[in-house]
Amino acid sequence: AQSVTQLGSHVSVSEGALVLLRCNYSSSVPPYLFWYVQYPNQGLQLLLKYTTGATLVKGINGFEAEFKKSETSFHLTKPSAHMSDAAEYFCAVMGNSGNTPLVFGKGTRLSVIA
Amino acid sequence: KAGVTQTPRYLIKTRGQQVTLSCSPISGHRSVSWYQQTPGQGLQFLFEYFSETQRNKGNFPGRFSGRQFSNSRSEMNVSTLELGDSALYLCASSLGWQTYEQYFGPGTRLTVT
Repeated sequence: AQSVTQLGSHVSVSEGALVLLRCNYSSSVPPYLFWYVQYPNQGLQLLLKYTTGATLVKGINGFEAEFKKSETSFHLTKPSAHMSDAAEYFCAVMGNSGNTPLVFGKGTRLSVIA
Repeated sequence: KAGVTQTPRYLIKTRGQQVTLSCSPISGHRSVSWYQQTPGQGLQFLFEYFSETQRNKGNFPGRFSGRQFSNSRSEMNVSTLELGDSALYLCASSLGWQTYEQYFGPGTRLTVT
């Protein structure tokens, strides 16, 4: 069975500071990994994904994440936080056959302080 | 290209009633998945449909059911509503089965009183 743990249900950063949202996964097979963002009263938007190949993946809005197999981690980073980054962020895992459903972490709410 | 649309966006029902939610996937997408989002349980997978066939099912009671039509539109039904069914129900579409990139709709907010 696959699972995702997101460390910290709430992270607060100052505008311009580094954003680091942590995600660790458990999977018996090499997984596909995803980060989604959810703004209030909206659905989920895909930020970035890792399937195969380069372990450092870049996404939209300046976000990137690095797949570290040895640490079973897929942490999300952004060098400089913007007020518009305030949202809920979800890490998700899927088996690499692509035919298993997404398993989500509990989410991390990011607050950006001016 | 239009995104995933869900109707209605908001719904209030009474315990014991039933409800039907609708999802129209992105044009050309043939797979539709449904998720329930609650503050306590987070995002949980309900079921996935591809070519009018249920391919995967999550761990929900039989009161939760769904179907997919030949045009890929999907509906989910919840019968005998309980207070705990209050949630945001999200639909996601993807090109086909075994394609991993899912695009989510805005969700239907269901409140059961």
